[in-house]
Amino acid sequence: DVKVTQSSRYLVKRTGEKVFLECVQDMDHENMFWYRQDPGLGLRLIYFSYDVKMKEKGDIPEGYSVSREKKERFSLILESASTNQTSMYLCASTSGANVLTFGAGSRLTVL
Amino acid sequence: KNQVEQSPQSLIILEGKNCTLQCNYTVSPFSNLRWYKQDTGRGPVSLTIMTFSENTKSNGRYTATLDADTKQSSLHITASQLSDSASYICVVSLQTGANNLFFGTGTRLTVIP
Repeated sequence: DVKVTQSSRYLVKRTGEKVFLECVQDMDHENMFWYRQDPGLGLRLIYFSYDVKMKEKGDIPEGYSVSREKKERFSLILESASTNQTSMYLCASTSGANVLTFGAGSRLTVL
Repeated sequence: KNQVEQSPQSLIILEGKNCTLQCNYTVSPFSNLRWYKQDTGRGPVSLTIMTFSENTKSNGRYTATLDADTKQSSLHITASQLSDSASYICVVSLQTGANNLFFGTGTRLTVIP
């Protein structure tokens, strides 16, 4: 069964802390994405990557950075977490056919 | 402006009943449209994908329709089950561009016994 695995399902952090959200896929997909999902706003794209060491800003990149050192791993980094970054974060990957395979999500609470 | 709008925002139905969810879009140039199901606390899972030339596609008790002229899609659920309780998200793709997916905000369906 193909999978996108997000290592942290639930995190609680304090304002100003650095946060790492890890995502690993086992499908050899080229493209990987990070979204955040908030009630009433749907999914919004933070960053995506179409190759190792490549990254592109999505619609809401401010306050976030990403890292893709290996094809299977795409990390989302919050350098200094703020309360308005409390959200559900979803990682996804695709081979180019635009059918996204999502991870289970990481629910982040920033106090 | 490329947008995807879904209605209703939420819906409660009795187990065994049918329901229809709506998706209207202004995305152009259109490539395809997908319906995803998202269980509470989980990531979305693809139900159907429809291209410009397809009018209807079924996946078990789920039937999606597409009218590319009016830019409307619907997801019909037949003989609902408690496990159908979830959010249903409509996603429309542009033909080109790396960032080419547009998401609706979803319909929250609750099936009650």
